[in-house]
Amino acid sequence: DAGVTQSPTHLIKTRGQQVTLRCSPKSGHDTVSWYQQALGQGPQFIFQYYEEEERQRGNFPDRFSGHQFPNYSSELNVNALLLGDSALYLCASSPTDFMNTEAFFGQGTRLTVV
Amino acid sequence: QKEVEQNSGPLSVPEGAIASLNCTYSDRVSQSFFWYRQYSGKSPELIMSIYSNGDKEDGRFTAQLNKASQYVSLLIRDSQPSDSATYLCAVSGGSYIPTFGRGTSLIVHP
Repeated sequence: DAGVTQSPTHLIKTRGQQVTLRCSPKSGHDTVSWYQQALGQGPQFIFQYYEEEERQRGNFPDRFSGHQFPNYSSELNVNALLLGDSALYLCASSPTDFMNTEAFFGQGTRLTVV
Repeated sequence: QKEVEQNSGPLSVPEGAIASLNCTYSDRVSQSFFWYRQYSGKSPELIMSIYSNGDKEDGRFTAQLNKASQYVSLLIRDSQPSDSATYLCAVSGGSYIPTFGRGTSLIVHP
């Protein structure tokens, strides 16, 4: 049973560029959440997708956008990259049961903006 | 603003000892509480979840929850060097979105 998978694992981008990160949820999970984790900090919630719609959003600017596909996989897009966007980006999946908020993380994508 | 507070550490314990990790939270309507372990350069791994007051044991791990004091803790018995990692506390409430603390770095030395 495959867990949550993310791609790519590492990425280097130049300031001002755009980036797309991808996530496939754990089998049986249809809710995908994205987090940003800066060095030495806990994961910060970006947004959550369910039934192909953004259900909740954290305190992140509109430069951060996402998408969920019919097969429940998801993309995170970041436009106009800033140096401060350098972080570990984590995708977490969870089942439809909204009361069960156990989230399982993928291995993450390490984004470096230079 | 929902807050989850953890002492960043590092907490250093000898091998075989009990490690005690603590977490406080600000949102009184919080319902679900989680402990994640994160090795350096890796993603968080869920190790415990607890939903009601009291203790929950799983192997060498015990989670303790006191909603009246807004306090949750994780005890690791017979600590091993392989337990050295950052432990993240996460709390969710009405929004069902977990809020994470900064994590406590644990070092278990031989």
